Amino acid sequence: EAQVTQNPRYLITVTGKKLTVTCSQNMNHEYMSWYRQDPGLGLRQIYYSMNVEVTDKGDVPEGYKVSRKEKRNFPLILESPSPNQTSLYFCASSLDASFRGAKNIQYFGAGTRLSVL
Amino acid sequence: QQQVKQSPQSLIVQKGGISIINCAYENTAFDYFPWYQQFPGKGPALLIAIRPDVSEKKEGRFTISFNKSAKQFSLHIMDSQPGDSATYFCAASIVDSSYKLIFGSGTRLLVRP
Repeated sequence: EAQVTQNPRYLITVTGKKLTVTCSQNMNHEYMSWYRQDPGLGLRQIYYSMNVEVTDKGDVPEGYKVSRKEKRNFPLILESPSPNQTSLYFCASSLDASFRGAKNIQYFGAGTRLSVL
Repeated sequence: QQQVKQSPQSLIVQKGGISIINCAYENTAFDYFPWYQQFPGKGPALLIAIRPDVSEKKEGRFTISFNKSAKQFSLHIMDSQPGDSATYFCAASIVDSSYKLIFGSGTRLLVRP
């Protein structure tokens, strides 16, 4: 079964305590991406990766880091979380970045709800 | 402008009615317009998509209407059902060095029995 798996699903932390949200896909997809979802703002891209060792900033990258050492994994790192990073986070993957074609659907994980106190 | 404006923010429709969600964009270089459906506690899932060379695309009860000159596109849900209650996002993409989807702000649809 095609899956994008995020962990943890829920996380409560305190300001400044480093955390990592993991993301793994089992579809051998080249393209992976992180989004945050906030009420009234839709989904905004944080970082994306075109392939292993190739990452780039999205629209809201400040305060986040990513790495792509293996094709299947794309962790999101918050080195020093702040309350304004309280949000719902989604990892997504697709065959490539064109998003076109019946087989090039972007699949999303179930989300990670993060609260930074 | 890399924005997609979506309206309304929320929508309540009676069972059997038509739900209509609208999106507008500025960047004429956008060349792919998908709609995503998101149920509570789940990630968004692709519902239907359209290219700008087509004015309408229908899949079951879901139809995208596309108006290239007005730079607008809309999702119509015919015979709306309570199971359609979800948040809907329009999006747009452009294949340049950006390689990303730009999402609208979302519409929360409630279909009453």
